[in-house]
Amino acid sequence: EAQVTQNPRYLITVTGKKLTVTCSQNMNHEYMSWYRQDPGLGLRQIYYSMNVEVTDKGDVPEGYKVSRKEKRNFPLILESPSPNQTSLYFCASSPAGTELNTEAFFGQGTRLTVV
Amino acid sequence: GEDVEQSLFLSVREGDSSVINCTYTDSSSTYLYWYKQEPGAGLQLLTYIFSNMDMKQDQRLTVLLNKKDKHLSLRIADTQTGDSAIYFCAERKSDMRFGAGTRLTVKP
Repeated sequence: EAQVTQNPRYLITVTGKKLTVTCSQNMNHEYMSWYRQDPGLGLRQIYYSMNVEVTDKGDVPEGYKVSRKEKRNFPLILESPSPNQTSLYFCASSPAGTELNTEAFFGQGTRLTVV
Repeated sequence: GEDVEQSLFLSVREGDSSVINCTYTDSSSTYLYWYKQEPGAGLQLLTYIFSNMDMKQDQRLTVLLNKKDKHLSLRIADTQTGDSAIYFCAERKSDMRFGAGTRLTVKP
């Protein structure tokens, strides 16, 4: 089954304690991205990756890191989480190419609370 | 800031039609999408339209695109309680740009 898998689904952590949210896709997609969803703001892109070893900042990259060592995995790293990073996070993947209709497949989401 | 704008809330009665509107600013966007998010779930693609089309119909869903006004709408006919969700409009350029989402509430 084609899917994007995020872990964990729920996480409560304390300020300053490093954490990683994993994302894995089994569709051999080149393009992967991370979004955060906040009430009234919709989805805002944090980082995206066009392919292995290629990552770029999205709209709200501050406080986050990513890596793309393999095609299937795109972890989101919070080196020193703060309460304003409390949010619902989504990972998405899609084939590369803007000229094609390329649907983005989403993970189930990770609800992060930083206290 | 957001390039895609939607109203945040819509409430309809079961059996009525729902119309969710969206405006976007980049006329070079080639594809425009509607995603549905049910409570506690991720986003699922509902339908999409290519920018050279005016209308697309898929069962109860009708998408209208006014490229001149950069206006996109999603009409759901015979709205059911199971249609209650958040609906996101999105445009595709080098990446996906989403609106804030419209929360549709269907009352029995």
